[in-house]
Amino acid sequence: QSALTQPPSVSGSPGQSVTISCTGTSSDVGSYNRVSWYQQPPGTAPKLMIYEVSNRPSGVPDRFSGSKSGNTASLTISGLQAEDEADYYCSSYTSSSTLFGGGTKLTVL
Amino acid sequence: QVQLQESGPGLVKPSQTLSLTCTVSGGSISSGGYYWSWIRQHPGKGLEWIGYIYYSGSTYYNPSLKSRVTISVDTSKNQFSLKLSSVTAADTAVYYCARENTAAGHLDYWGQGTLVTVSS
Repeated sequence: QSALTQPPSVSGSPGQSVTISCTGTSSDVGSYNRVSWYQQPPGTAPKLMIYEVSNRPSGVPDRFSGSKSGNTASLTISGLQAEDEADYYCSSYTSSSTLFGGGTKLTVL
Repeated sequence: QVQLQESGPGLVKPSQTLSLTCTVSGGSISSGGYYWSWIRQHPGKGLEWIGYIYYSGSTYYNPSLKSRVTISVDTSKNQFSLKLSSVTAADTAVYYCARENTAAGHLDYWGQGTLVTVSS
């Protein structure tokens, strides 16, 4: 049971867009549309930002969007704001467990 | 609004058993439709899924921890618990409890987390 693969870091300037990838296998990301994304500012608990690949919970800005192609899911943040600086984790359901990605640190320049 | 709160010792000695409880408010564990989960985060590292339990008592564990983990539920107290045996310094982490939607597979409510340090 390997973790999902995310880039360690991404960065962007305010107003720009960034995309964070999350690569799994045909047994997890590729098999289920149960990919979710979490935002974790330093010292806080993770917060759900995207579920079922592309759905946003109430209260999450529409600047956050998700997609999936094959074994890779992606989180795109458009119109970057300073408050978006945080760690981001993807997660995928499997038949009997939950997998997380290693996390990506987003720096807003 | 569902809320989860972890509780338990912040310091555990090596080789002993780590025990944590998660108290759920604003919703019933027995209502179904959710797994009640434990996740941990080593200092400065990523999230690691430990396991989850359904209100009926069915459990699923991370294979890498399965031999040492027990998750149980007490529906009368609206609580679920984690026991991790034979701990070492490598088990030092922030432990979170969370609710996972069984149909959609996402964790929608999290506790604030509790730091457990394994040290003599």
